[in-house]
Amino acid sequence: DAGITQSPRHKVTETGTPVTLRCHQTENHRYMYWYRQDPGHGLRLIHYSYGVKDTDKGEVSDGYSVSRSKTEDFLLTLESATSSQTSVYFCAIRAQGNQPQHFGDGTRLSIL
Amino acid sequence: AQSVSQHNHHVILSEAASLELGCNYSYGGTVNLFWYVQYPGQHLQLLLKYFSGDPLVKGIKGFEAEFIKSKFSFNLRKPSVQWSDTAEYFCAVGTGGFKTIFGAGTRLFVKA
Repeated sequence: DAGITQSPRHKVTETGTPVTLRCHQTENHRYMYWYRQDPGHGLRLIHYSYGVKDTDKGEVSDGYSVSRSKTEDFLLTLESATSSQTSVYFCAIRAQGNQPQHFGDGTRLSIL
Repeated sequence: AQSVSQHNHHVILSEAASLELGCNYSYGGTVNLFWYVQYPGQHLQLLLKYFSGDPLVKGIKGFEAEFIKSKFSFNLRKPSVQWSDTAEYFCAVGTGGFKTIFGAGTRLFVKA
């Protein structure tokens, strides 16, 4: 499996609190992605990065921000968590534009 | 807009039955095609991929898929399923850009 570590793996927090999820890779891949997975919706792209400090929005970016200050780390921040952001979050990496993505183990986030 | 459609949301089969999961995409240019599998509680894993050449692609665990360009389809097949194939299956399409478009997934349950 590709060297991808997501932390934390599980988190429970309250509405209105800030939350940061971390994705760390050891593959030196250029592209990194954050998805959320919800029943009936499959995978939805939140944000992605195509290089250090180069990020862009996906289809469900409202309420989320990201940062990539190093090749190996891609952070996803919920500035003020809401219950609708309860989900499983997956990080993925990809070496080049036409290669498959490889996924981390996911973070299960519950917002009460 | 580019999209990926998986026709069956839930499929129930008995062991040894044959499997075919449908996938259609909407994009007129060159595509890279993928099938991923997600076992319960795990992350997505690549089953197989198509970039070019022979439209019949063989993947891991006895799965195969056929790319039919005229139908914009990339259906997944397995001649004889096992209980251990119970999982969710995602079709995905890359168009050479930064993003990969995922279908909503098909949940397969195999009865022992």
